[in-house]
Formats: sequence, structure tokens, C-alpha cells
Amino acid sequence: AQTVTQSQPEMSVQEAETVTLSCTYDTSESDYYLFWYKQPPSRQMILVIRQEAYKQQNATENRFSVNFQKAAKSFSLKISDSQLGDAAMYFCAYRSLDMNRDDKIIFGKGTRLHILP
Amino acid sequence: SQTIHQWPATLVQPVGSPLSLECTVEGTSNPNLYWYRQAAGRGLQLLFYSVGIGQISSEVPQNLSASRPQDRQFILSSKKLLLSDSGFYLCAWSPRLAYEQYFGPGTRLTVT
Repeated sequence: AQTVTQSQPEMSVQEAETVTLSCTYDTSESDYYLFWYKQPPSRQMILVIRQEAYKQQNATENRFSVNFQKAAKSFSLKISDSQLGDAAMYFCAYRSLDMNRDDKIIFGKGTRLHILP
Repeated sequence: SQTIHQWPATLVQPVGSPLSLECTVEGTSNPNLYWYRQAAGRGLQLLFYSVGIGQISSEVPQNLSASRPQDRQFILSSKKLLLSDSGFYLCAWSPRLAYEQYFGPGTRLTVT
């Protein structure tokens, strides 16, 4: 079974600085999707970025980018020029592309990010 | 564009009372639908998911149930609430041919 591990329960970063959140996963599949979701204090989950495993190029969305290392099964999120609005819980998630598998996303336990003014 | 609604936003119910949480999606058809629960300060637990009307898969056996009476409506129910049912309930939808999920604003349930 696939698992997603976020080893940093909490992190802090100074405003305008860069921070990297770590995520590792375990799977025997070769095709899958990876996601980072953000949960701000409002608690609504927001999709931040997605990465298809078959793409070697790392995904980027404005100040958010990922470092996808398929062989190492690592999927870290880098936030550049951190802003106060980035303070949230961040969840790493895995989704199989195997259509015979259950239609589920597997979430990590999350990393709470604090932005220091 | 697609939107997802959940209500109520907040609910306080006594132990033993029934529960009905509703989730609806607009702007799409035949979505996959999901119910998650999140305990305070913890990760997401998938409770139920549905790939079509009347098709419900349960992930965690407990006193909760789900129904999908219409294509874009997903209901979470309980006949008798337990204290352990307290938490934040999130509904999510996924396009039929996509892999990401989009979440609603959630319902905060407190069982007293």
C-alpha cells in the first residue's frame, strides 16, 4: 500500500525568505500524481501544485515550486518570498493512475508552516 | 466554473442525536464525491467516496453513513452521534477524468 510521510510537523520561516517542506512517499507504481494542498486557518483545503510522475520537469506555480526526485521517492515544496498569507498547514498527497485501483488520494499528516514578520 | 457547497458551516449536537451534512457541487456532471473527517490538529481521514448515484464505498466502519441521491449531492448521516464524531468534515469532488480533488469549506461538528 502507498504511504506518504511528512517528517516535519512544524516549520517557521521569516517573511520574504524561502522555505522547503519535505515529503517522501512509498509506492511500487510507476505512474501516479503528487499534490501539495494548503489548509489556511479557514480550514478549506486548497490545491497548490500538482506533479505527474511521468514528467521529469518540476512543476511551478508562481512562488511555489517542487523538487520531484522519482528514484528517491521525494517530493518537496519550495515557497519563495514567503508571505504572511502562506501561513497554513500543508499536506502532501499521492494519487495512483491505475484505473483498477480505488479512486482515492492518500494524504500525509501535514506540516504546519508559520511565517514570522 | 465549478463550486462546491457544504452546510451547515457549524453544528453543535448532543450525543445520541441524528446528523445530516449536505454537500452539493455546481457546474459539473458525474463527479466523484468524497467525505473526509479531520480531527483537531490531525490529518485527513477518508470516510466515504462515490463514483455515481447510489454508489457508496465506505473506508471506515463506524456509525456514519453516506448517500448520493442525486448526481451532484452527497449526504453524510448518522442515526446516533457519539462524542468521537466531533471534528471537521470536508466534502470534496473530483472531475471524472482528472486526478486532483477540490474541497468544500467544511463543517465543524461538535458533539456535546
